[in-house]
Amino acid sequence: GQNIDQPTEMTATEGAIVQINCTYQTSGFNGLFWYQQHAGEAPTFLSYNVLDGLEEKGRFSSFLSRSKGYSYLLLKELQMKDSASYLCAVRDGDYKLSFGAGTTVTVRA
Amino acid sequence: IAGITQAPTSQILAAGRRMTLRCTQDMRHNAMYWYRQDLGLGLRLIHYSNTAGTTGKGEVPDGYSVSRANTDDFPLTLASAVPSQTSVYFCASSAVAGQSTDTQYFGPGTRLTVL
Repeated sequence: GQNIDQPTEMTATEGAIVQINCTYQTSGFNGLFWYQQHAGEAPTFLSYNVLDGLEEKGRFSSFLSRSKGYSYLLLKELQMKDSASYLCAVRDGDYKLSFGAGTTVTVRA
Repeated sequence: IAGITQAPTSQILAAGRRMTLRCTQDMRHNAMYWYRQDLGLGLRLIHYSNTAGTTGKGEVPDGYSVSRANTDDFPLTLASAVPSQTSVYFCASSAVAGQSTDTQYFGPGTRLTVL
């Protein structure tokens, strides 16, 4: 399998910015995905990176460095509804998707 | 609303019993997947199907079987359930397997408890 690491938990204040890091080691690379998962619900797609650099989607941005095996998800202007788990997933050379264990973000008022 | 449905929503099962989890999608996606999600371990792939009529083994296939008779349905069967199969099971689908841009979309999940 693949080795995908991300922090277990993060806490931040409403209106702040939080950066969730993800490091990976894979046999081949065909893209990195970020999913959001609220407690008791299904994961929902947030972003996709296959080339180095920053992808911005409203309050969420995702960055990739393939040479460093590193990505981050940046959540800006945090809202209470952003409290959720954020899953980093890497597609390997065989196009299989492997998931990290997820980072639980808690937004406090 | 188009998407993926799973049934049942939750189930408590005695060890040794046979159980089939159902998954149906109406997006005409070629590829479908079954994952289990356990605390601290993230989502792990059980079985997948790149297209109707074909299936493959994922990371944790033992004790599970699948079939893909048509595009829409992808049932997961536990032939003889064991307590270690207690988990939340997610079905997912994607348009075309084998492309880097292919995005997987997930069903609502089935919470299974094996006693």
